[in-house]
Amino acid sequence: EAGVAQSPRYKIIEKRQSVAFWCNPISGHATLYWYQQILGQGPKLLIQFQNNGVVDDSQLPKDRFSAERLKGVDSTLKIQPAKLEDSAVYLCASSLAAVTEAFFGQGTRLTVV
Amino acid sequence: AQSVTQLDSQVPVFEEAPVELRCNYSSSVSVYLFWYVQYPNQGLQLLLKYLSGSTLVKGINGFEAEFNKSQTSFHLRKPSVHISDTAEYFCAVSDHGGANNLFFGTGTRLTVIP
Repeated sequence: EAGVAQSPRYKIIEKRQSVAFWCNPISGHATLYWYQQILGQGPKLLIQFQNNGVVDDSQLPKDRFSAERLKGVDSTLKIQPAKLEDSAVYLCASSLAAVTEAFFGQGTRLTVV
Repeated sequence: AQSVTQLDSQVPVFEEAPVELRCNYSSSVSVYLFWYVQYPNQGLQLLLKYLSGSTLVKGINGFEAEFNKSQTSFHLRKPSVHISDTAEYFCAVSDHGGANNLFFGTGTRLTVIP
């Protein structure tokens, strides 16, 4: 079974630029999560989708971050414009349902300079 | 409100020695506890979880954890570590049984010394 796929693996941008990350969850998984993991900290949930609807985006900085999950499969997370403090690993995870185990992708390491 | 405290940020241990990684939690509702492992440049992998039932939970790669409600702890143990266990370990708590509302600790870096 293929796991959660994320791309790119690494990205370096200058502050005030825009960036987008892509996630392809495990086939059939209805729930998709984006986490932000800042160096030295645990992952923090940014947004949770159930199919193509948003369940929880309370910790998403909506002035600069946006995410979508068209057709309830792939998802993209965008930052526009990026700030230095956005430097982190962005992890995507998926699960069959919200109450079952989440499987994580390898993450995208973003460096904002 | 939920929170997780991982008391040790780094734990060095010699190969084949036992190890315990400590985790304390606070939660105002029913609690479900998890340990995840993150190998270098990899995503998180579930090691084990406590949902209900026996307080001693066995996971993958020879790890186990014990849920102690009175001490609000969920420490991770392995009787004999290998070089391949070198990784970052995260304790997490949820008020649901699964991935919903997972709240992670800051992590413990386990380094196994040959």
